[in-house]
Amino acid sequence: EPEVTQTPSHQVTQMGQEVILRCVPISNHLYFYWYRQILGQKVEFLVSFYNNEISEKSEIFDDQFSVERPDGSNFTLKIRSTKLEDSAMYFCASSGTGGYDGELFFGEGSRLTVL
Amino acid sequence: GESVGLHLPTLSVQEGDNSIINCAYSNSASDYFIWYKQESGKGPQFIIDIRSNMDKRQGQRVTVLLNKTVKHLSLQIAATQPGDSAVYFCADRGTGRRALTFGSGTRLQVQP
Repeated sequence: EPEVTQTPSHQVTQMGQEVILRCVPISNHLYFYWYRQILGQKVEFLVSFYNNEISEKSEIFDDQFSVERPDGSNFTLKIRSTKLEDSAMYFCASSGTGGYDGELFFGEGSRLTVL
Repeated sequence: GESVGLHLPTLSVQEGDNSIINCAYSNSASDYFIWYKQESGKGPQFIIDIRSNMDKRQGQRVTVLLNKTVKHLSLQIAATQPGDSAVYFCADRGTGRRALTFGSGTRLQVQP
């Protein structure tokens, strides 16, 4: 069964460092998302991406965040200067083949620990 | 702002019993609702969804009920099994959006 894959599974970084989280969405999907989940809390929307541009973003997704689809398969989330409060599980998701399709398929997540 | 929330943070049931997990939403314009299951250390996994033009949908051992009058969503799990132990999230999608907004989650604990 097709699945969303994410790397790395866990990254530890120092405060102020740049981090890139990588995702390979399901191959025929058109919509891509990043969500984050602080330990023990709910899953929070960050950004959605379609047709090589951001289609929607939340208040969390400020100037330190960026997304990119550098090639036909990868979808990345960059955090330019990490803060302690960026420590969370980051989930990539994809959906949609063009028609109405509400379900988002999630990856297993990348745990980011900022020290 | 608009939000999706859950009534109970933890639900403990006996194996074999039926479970009911409730969720309230505030966006009357939401047109799509979905339940996800999240096991420890894993990503959310789709359980069942329902569109706003329906009030009930059944899957395998699961049923989702939607009451638009009171903006309430519930997930019913029949004959709950130990493998059902997880955190369950409801989520909704506002009209014209693709992204989902998640609620706070309910932890389901199944006692053997």
